[in-house]
Amino acid sequence: KNEVEQSPQNLTAQEGEFITINCSYSVGISALHWLQQHPGGGIVSLFMLSSGKKKHGRLIATINIQEKHSSLHITASHPRDSAVYICAVKAGNQFYFGTGTSLTVIP
Amino acid sequence: EAQVTQNPRYLITVTGKKLTVTCSQNMNHEYMSWYRQDPGLGLRQIYYSMNVEVTDKGDVPEGYKVSRKEKRNFPLILESPSPNQTSLYFCASSFWTGHGYTFGSGTRLTVV
Repeated sequence: KNEVEQSPQNLTAQEGEFITINCSYSVGISALHWLQQHPGGGIVSLFMLSSGKKKHGRLIATINIQEKHSSLHITASHPRDSAVYICAVKAGNQFYFGTGTSLTVIP
Repeated sequence: EAQVTQNPRYLITVTGKKLTVTCSQNMNHEYMSWYRQDPGLGLRQIYYSMNVEVTDKGDVPEGYKVSRKEKRNFPLILESPSPNQTSLYFCASSFWTGHGYTFGSGTRLTVV
């Protein structure tokens, strides 16, 4: 069972490119999180969304509740954005995770 | 500094030897949770707690125990570890609203 599906699994981009990572989910949710995991393993929460759109620096996250879909956009990508990006949904009191999108930004 | 502290960072143990991984947060978060991360499977929730003395099973609770006697601490207990519990473990906490979701640095456990 895959409550959360992410695409693409792997993504390589040139520095400066606009990047989109997609997340679809199949359960009713109260919130959706975008997480970033760096090669060292640490995980950071980037956004929590329950509706609409949020922006933080070069990162933009959107969610469409009706379509059960969220996107994470990175504008003007930089090599330091290289990481695994994980979509997580909160359904009831539990969290379900996508398997992540591995992003590599080449200088 | 607001943080979730997990210990130890690395642990190698033998099958059947009871162990505890500690997790502590200093943000007065109500919600705490344990996850394991395995290649190809991603993060999966083991147990979570909505507040003191309130815990519940996640997706993969078999072989694990937890307790929440104080708001700041949420230890993960493996009574009889087995090799299939070799994994990278994360503790995380947040306010009940979901805001401020913070992860610990992770514990890499190897059971031989």
